[in-house]
This record gives sequence, structure tokens and C-alpha cells, in this order.
Amino acid sequence: GQNIDQPTEMTATEGAIVQINCTYQTSGFNGLFWYQQHAGEAPTFLSYNVLDGLEEKGRFSSFLSRSKGYSYLLLKELQMKDSASYLCAVVDSNYQLIWGAGTKLIIKP
Amino acid sequence: NAGVTQTPKFRVLKTGQSMTLLCAQDMNHEYMYWYRQDPGMGLRLIHYSVGEGTTAKGEVPDGYNVSRLKKQNFLLGLESAAPSQTSVYFCASNVGREGSGEQFFGPGTRLTVL
Repeated sequence: GQNIDQPTEMTATEGAIVQINCTYQTSGFNGLFWYQQHAGEAPTFLSYNVLDGLEEKGRFSSFLSRSKGYSYLLLKELQMKDSASYLCAVVDSNYQLIWGAGTKLIIKP
Repeated sequence: NAGVTQTPKFRVLKTGQSMTLLCAQDMNHEYMYWYRQDPGMGLRLIHYSVGEGTTAKGEVPDGYNVSRLKKQNFLLGLESAAPSQTSVYFCASNVGREGSGEQFFGPGTRLTVL
């Protein structure tokens, strides 16, 4: 079967750094997405990785290791508005997105 | 550009009633998707379409039907609603496998079936 694992909930402090991990087992791999979803809203695109390594985009970075079936999203200089759920999704061999359940990130002042 | 829009935003149905959810996109995207999102679970694909006039089943298609008569519209129908279909429904679109792959989401429809 196909499986995406992420922690259910994480807590961090404003101004700090947090790393959200995602491990996956899927039938094929054609890339990995990270989306942000604020409560009651739609998911919005954060990053896409298809090759191993780190992709940096402002305060957010995403890392991929295809051999380990592992990715992480790194958020720096945390702000209160970063309180949201972060969704990991893998593109499988049929070019379908397989979604993790999401990690709820709580930012404390 | 409005992006992806969904109608209605909220709906309450009684068991056995039918309804249609409308999704529209103005980005000329080929691919469109219907997902449902339930607490503690990831987004689950109900049906999708790779172009006008085509539809295909996703992970959880039972109890739903879809139509893509026009490229910009993707309709999701519930013929006989059940309480298990209480969920938040999201429509999404993207340019397709040869494109960037990023999916753009509508604001969602919150459906309650009593």
C-alpha cells in the first residue's frame, strides 16, 4: 500500500526554527509537494522537490532524499501567521497525489 | 483572475437528498480534481478529469458522480446523500503532468448530511 507519515502536531516558539518531517512509501515517485493550510481555508502551494537536496525559498526550505523516502520542511524565524497545518504529498507512478494527514503547527509567543 | 471557485460554500442535506457541487477555473487548466477532507485524514481523491469530456475514478468514488462538459467546469454530484459523506470538499486544477504540477485549490464546500 501507499503511505505518507507526518507528525500529527508540533509546537514551536515565535522567532525559532522548526522542522516538519515526512516519510513516504509509494508506488513510484514523481515528486513531492508541501502545502500550507490555515484552519478553514484551502491548501496553498509551498514547495516542490523532485531531485535530492535542499530547495530554499525565503524563510521556508524543503529537503528531499529519494533513497530514504524522506523529506522535511524547515521554517525559520517563525511568525504567528505560520500557525497552520502543513501537508506533505507525493506524486506516484500514475501522477496522482498521495496526501499525508498533515502536521498542525502551533506557534506560541 | 478568480482562480478556482466553488459553489456553494456551505450546505446541509438530509439523508437521501441529492445535490451538485460546481467547480469553475479560469486558468485554462486541463486537469481538475475533486477531493474530500476529513479530520485526521489526508485529502482523498474522489474523481478527476484530464480534459474536457473525460472523467476517471479516484481513491473514494463510491456515491459520487462527476461531469466535465466544459473545460472550465467540473461538477460533483451526490445522488443519494449519506451521513458518511459529511465532509469538506475541495476542487483543484493544474496544467497536467507535463506542467509544473502544482494544484490550485478552490475555497472548499462544507457539506453536512443529517
